[in-house]
Amino acid sequence: QSVLTQPPSVSGAPGQRVTISCTGSSSNIGAGYDVHWYQQLPGTAPKVLIYGNTNRPSGVPDRFAGSKSGTSASLAITGLQAEDEADYYCQSFDSSLSGSYVFGTGTKVTVL
Amino acid sequence: EVHLVESGGGLVKPGGSLRLSCAASGFTLSNAWMSWVRQAPGKGLEWVGRIKSKTKTDGGTTDYAAPVKGRFTISRDDSKSTLYLQMNSLKTEDTAVYYCSTVGVSTGGYDFDYWGQGTLVTVSS
Repeated sequence: QSVLTQPPSVSGAPGQRVTISCTGSSSNIGAGYDVHWYQQLPGTAPKVLIYGNTNRPSGVPDRFAGSKSGTSASLAITGLQAEDEADYYCQSFDSSLSGSYVFGTGTKVTVL
Repeated sequence: EVHLVESGGGLVKPGGSLRLSCAASGFTLSNAWMSWVRQAPGKGLEWVGRIKSKTKTDGGTTDYAAPVKGRFTISRDDSKSTLYLQMNSLKTEDTAVYYCSTVGVSTGGYDFDYWGQGTLVTVSS
């Protein structure tokens, strides 16, 4: 089972700002390991959206922003657009699981 | 441009075996860390395992998630630019789309920065 907890769903109207939380513990996010975020559009492979807590790969709009504090991280989407409707996952590393990468439970973003 | 193409998925009976392949292009596979990630139907992402590069520092070592340890084996043929996932003693709960991914090839970090399109493995009698 996942050790990173996300809300199952968030929603917002076009143009609004939404945030997705990712709650971990002292053996993963709280231990200083980086958090990365992925977007998975329906029927497609995941794509990295944010890496190293706050960095955007080239081509990712600056509407997406990542942050990290203590044992949690967040992904903010500002100026929500219809094309942002997708599943979003956080990911980190957990030292208590024999060198294991861990994903969040996933959050479905719905654009109203 | 980095390109990953998985193949080898299909229907297999519980207890059976299957080998997945991931053909890589656009980068030097021997210098890259690679991972397999799976996604059961309607479920979230689950890390399966990782293989490091064959450099002196990394040594090509592998690590696996607890649910597959001892049953799955990741290997690579750098001369063919191909990554493999050998799956033995398959269980119904192994049913999933399996993705291969690079680890930090473009970002330099420990994120999964490029993904293949995935291949579906169905374990059923």
